[in-house]
Amino acid sequence: EVQLVESGGDLVQPGGSLRLSCAASGFTFSSYLMHWVRQAPGKGLVWVSRSSSDGSGTTYADSVKGRFTISRDNAKNTLYLQMNSLRAEDTAVYYCARDKGGSGYYMDVWGKGTTVTVSS
Amino acid sequence: DIQTTQSPSSVSASVGDRVTITCRASQGISNWLAWYQQKPGKAPKLLIYTASNLQSGVTSRFSGSGSGTDFTLTISSLQPEDFATYYCQQANSFPLTFGGGTKVEIK
Repeated sequence: EVQLVESGGDLVQPGGSLRLSCAASGFTFSSYLMHWVRQAPGKGLVWVSRSSSDGSGTTYADSVKGRFTISRDNAKNTLYLQMNSLRAEDTAVYYCARDKGGSGYYMDVWGKGTTVTVSS
Repeated sequence: DIQTTQSPSSVSASVGDRVTITCRASQGISNWLAWYQQKPGKAPKLLIYTASNLQSGVTSRFSGSGSGTDFTLTISSLQPEDFATYYCQQANSFPLTFGGGTKVEIK
């Protein structure tokens, strides 16, 4: 079964750091571009970042650029999101998602999400 | 950045109704558009990609159309399991952007 499982969400103080993980199974992880998407409480979906299949190419939303770092370990089938200098507005459920592949950027497999709360 | 705007933000409908949701991109994106369904407390689910292609395993009640800047998601005959929030997403360029969502509620 194709599956993504996020972990690492927690309550953290403003200015703090957190690392999210996304464990992939059931497919050849190293062949797929991967995304992080977040959703603040009661709000819509916001794309955060993407990593190319080998990790050499990364892109970020302006709102997290310079504070968040996406990375992956293909030997461990795991995607990461290092989150530094966290702000209240980073509070959200964070989803990792697999890119469908081919032309365009479509997310065909999603994890259940992990919750990050930034509050003092 | 390409902005994506959905309308309406909510719609009340009955089982069996035909429902149409629209999405507009701030610039032409050819057919690089997806539609997702999200139920409360759950992850989004890909319904349609490349504007009109049905994702594997998705019921044919859902259909998509459009190109350029204007797109439509249609639910041909609303079923109880279709009550959810629907999002469009432009898949043309980074940053990827989602529409604000359309909540389909029971009338």
